[in-house]
Amino acid sequence: DTGVSQDPRHKITKRGQNVTFRCDPISEHNRLYWYRQTLGQGPEFLTYFQNEAQLEKSRLLSDRFSAERPKGSFSTLEIQRTEQGDSAMYLCASSFDRAVVGTQYFGPGTRLTVL
Amino acid sequence: AQRVTQPEKLLSVFKGAPVELKCNYSYSGSPELFWYVQYSRQRLQLLLRHISRESIKGFTADLNKGETSFHLKKPFAQEEDSAMYYCALVQAGTALIFGKGTTLSVSS
Repeated sequence: DTGVSQDPRHKITKRGQNVTFRCDPISEHNRLYWYRQTLGQGPEFLTYFQNEAQLEKSRLLSDRFSAERPKGSFSTLEIQRTEQGDSAMYLCASSFDRAVVGTQYFGPGTRLTVL
Repeated sequence: AQRVTQPEKLLSVFKGAPVELKCNYSYSGSPELFWYVQYSRQRLQLLLRHISRESIKGFTADLNKGETSFHLKKPFAQEEDSAMYYCALVQAGTALIFGKGTTLSVSS
């Protein structure tokens, strides 16, 4: 297991298109998080799964955003009708619920550019 | 509101000099605080957590509840310490709230 992986690493799309990102967590980790990071900012929390259940969503997650983790393993984050303001790095992280809370393992991120 | 503030965007020091990266927080309750680091072309990774009271790569951080601070310190900086450092706290036991980060640049 080489850690958390994300696909694609880069995505360029036109405004109004839909995009979907995938995250594969560390295999034994049951918690999965999505964050968004824009230039000059730290990562901002979007949503969190425990197994397949989406337990928390940030106000940043507008109705154009949807995330799933259908079998409690990989997760997808979809953005519909992309806007230029969606351009950012999207980070996925995972953790084990018995680990110290806050100990999260991050993926390399997917950089989204909306033209 | 829960918030993490890192007042310095950039900290430049010479090799062998002491380093202190500042972090202040706003949180109602008992905070759990962390430092994460991102080296060039690498992913974000945990450096240390206050609950463990550990020293990692020569770095330490002490939680000061009176001053609501969790500054990261190292007595003698090394060039390989150059990176982006983020202070973070745990919100409601799940998500991390990050500061904006401080770039540490160590030159010889």
